[in-house]
Amino acid sequence: GAVVSQHPSWVICKSGTSVKIECRSLDFQATTMFWYRQFPKQSLMLMATSNEGSKATYEQGVEKDKFLINHASLTLSTLTVTSAHPEDSSFYICSASRSQGATDTQYFGPGTRLTVL
Amino acid sequence: AQSVTQPDIHITVSEGASLELRCNYSYGATPYLFWYVQSPGQGLQLLLKYFSGDTLVQGIKGFEAEFKRSQSSFNLRKPSVHWSDAAEYFCAVGAPGGGNKLTFGTGTQLKVEL
Repeated sequence: GAVVSQHPSWVICKSGTSVKIECRSLDFQATTMFWYRQFPKQSLMLMATSNEGSKATYEQGVEKDKFLINHASLTLSTLTVTSAHPEDSSFYICSASRSQGATDTQYFGPGTRLTVL
Repeated sequence: AQSVTQPDIHITVSEGASLELRCNYSYGATPYLFWYVQSPGQGLQLLLKYFSGDTLVQGIKGFEAEFKRSQSSFNLRKPSVHWSDAAEYFCAVGAPGGGNKLTFGTGTQLKVEL
């Protein structure tokens, strides 16, 4: 149990276009979802936390107008990279948890590789 | 704010040898501690976690970790490594009063020689 999927697994887009990444919890209801960004050979950096039905909470330094997060249902959150530029190229990973309780496990998706040309 | 240090970027061990991956944290109190493994094409998988109680924690795949408050460490160990253990390992820390947000270390890439 506790499977999280992401779609697409990889995407290539032109500079200036927008890209949407989906994160789904397949067998549980996820009140809370997290979005991370991972640069090559580096750690996961938390971008934002989203709770179903609420606005996402962004980490310091993350542009909320550029990285739009929607968590409209208990099984789906989306991250839209608006007007993408080459510096947005990265590996984006989502995770989901049943609640935001401190002991609630995060279950991670396999990630989405974004390449902006 | 909490932070995590994984001093070893790369580690190479022979199959069958023992393994210890180091993790040090910085936090004002006892944090929640986690080890995750990341394999190519797969999401991070939780190996084990520590919240409180017994400081030696058993996880999946034969891994264990020991919380040492005096050393602010949570090192991951395995007595006999298998070739399939080759992957990236991340230590993470959570703040008991901060929901379930996690701060990750920079990871240790494990290579297993046959």
